[in-house]
Amino acid sequence: ETGVTQTPRHLVMGMTNKKSLKCEQHLGHNAMYWYKQSAKKPLELMFVYNFKEQTENNSVPSRFSPECPNSSHLFLHLHTLQPEDSALYLCASSQGGVDTEAFFGQGTRLTVV
Amino acid sequence: AQSVTQLGSHVSVSEGALVLLRCNYSSSVPPYLFWYVQYPNQGLQLLLKYTSAATLVKGINGFEAEFKKSETSFHLTKPSAHMSDAAEYFCAVSRSGSARQLTFGSGTQLTVLP
Repeated sequence: ETGVTQTPRHLVMGMTNKKSLKCEQHLGHNAMYWYKQSAKKPLELMFVYNFKEQTENNSVPSRFSPECPNSSHLFLHLHTLQPEDSALYLCASSQGGVDTEAFFGQGTRLTVV
Repeated sequence: AQSVTQLGSHVSVSEGALVLLRCNYSSSVPPYLFWYVQYPNQGLQLLLKYTSAATLVKGINGFEAEFKKSETSFHLTKPSAHMSDAAEYFCAVSRSGSARQLTFGSGTQLTVLP
């Protein structure tokens, strides 16, 4: 139990579908993150939320839309994705600030067909 | 700018042998350095971190890493590999230590042979 829970664990979707990934943290952290892990590529930071406010968007295409209704929940809404968007999407949370550890969820394995 | 290079995308060792996973970093300011482990179908778990205190850092599961500024390295070692160590290992650097500024390497897949 890492304290960060992601659902679903696996998702297969067509390019015209709309789906959402969910992340919930039970650690009382104030910052939450979405990362993308593609085969043979380093983890890519996508979005950062601090106290529910988006503080970073690393040039992520608009077909990915994050939502953070409160400090414990983070969503990633997906629509009209491409096959190259297939990847492991990892959520993380941290207390923020200097020398703080990021706690990761188990990820959602997304396949776009 | 900061970056991390992990030498060797795949490393194989025999059970009981020394584990050495290499990481070199680039950072314009004194870095904070991390090693994470990812088991199959799992998220990332922090193994250890360097935060400008002792240069030799001990982590969980018998792993340790040494920060060498002159070599800009932060290699991960374990004296004796166990089958359960088979996983992917990621080195990461952060300018301020903040999780917001983590930059990850490409990862090294460790295989432990019986």
